[in-house]
Amino acid sequence: GAVVSQHPSRVICKSGTSVKIECRSLDFQATTMFWYRQFPKQSLMLMATSNEGSKATYEQGVEKDKFLINHASLTLSTLTVTSAHPEDSSFYICSARHPGLATDTQYFGPGTRLTVL
Amino acid sequence: GESVGLHLPTLSVQEGDNSIINCAYSNSASDYFIWYKQESGKGPQFIIDIRSNMDKRQGQRVTVLLNKTVKHLSLQIAATQPGDSAVYFCAENKGGNTPLVFGKGTRLSVIA
Repeated sequence: GAVVSQHPSRVICKSGTSVKIECRSLDFQATTMFWYRQFPKQSLMLMATSNEGSKATYEQGVEKDKFLINHASLTLSTLTVTSAHPEDSSFYICSARHPGLATDTQYFGPGTRLTVL
Repeated sequence: GESVGLHLPTLSVQEGDNSIINCAYSNSASDYFIWYKQESGKGPQFIIDIRSNMDKRQGQRVTVLLNKTVKHLSLQIAATQPGDSAVYFCAENKGGNTPLVFGKGTRLSVIA
């Protein structure tokens, strides 16, 4: 158990367009999911905490109007990069906690590679 | 400030040797620690975890050691294999529903 998927795995878009990335917990319900961003050869940077049924909590320096997060159900959170620019090109990874397990372990999705031309 | 860091950014080991990856943390309130393995172009994969009430935990070919006195965490990989080549991250959690805080990562290269 504790499988997290992301879609798409890779996306290339033109500057100015919006891109939606989906994060799904496949075999469990996740009230909380997390979105990270990772640049080459760097660690994961937390962008926001996505809470089911409520507004996301954004980390300092992350523009909430640019990175829209929606957690409409217990198995799906979406991240929309609005008006994407080349500097938004990165590896975006989501994670979720499995509430049924007696740990605070976060399970990660496979990531989405975004390239903005 | 609060941080989780790594002493060595890169580590090269001979196939069959043991690997030791180190991590320092500064937040004494953290009570849960995890090691993740990340292969190129993939998401982090859970390896092993340990709670602050333990000082050692063993898995299959991996052992995590926690020294709360000096706030140090290490991951030991026995009989390192080429498939172990990846970037390894330590992460800490302060409990509740707070997100993990990740260290900088160590790249492990296994020489065949």
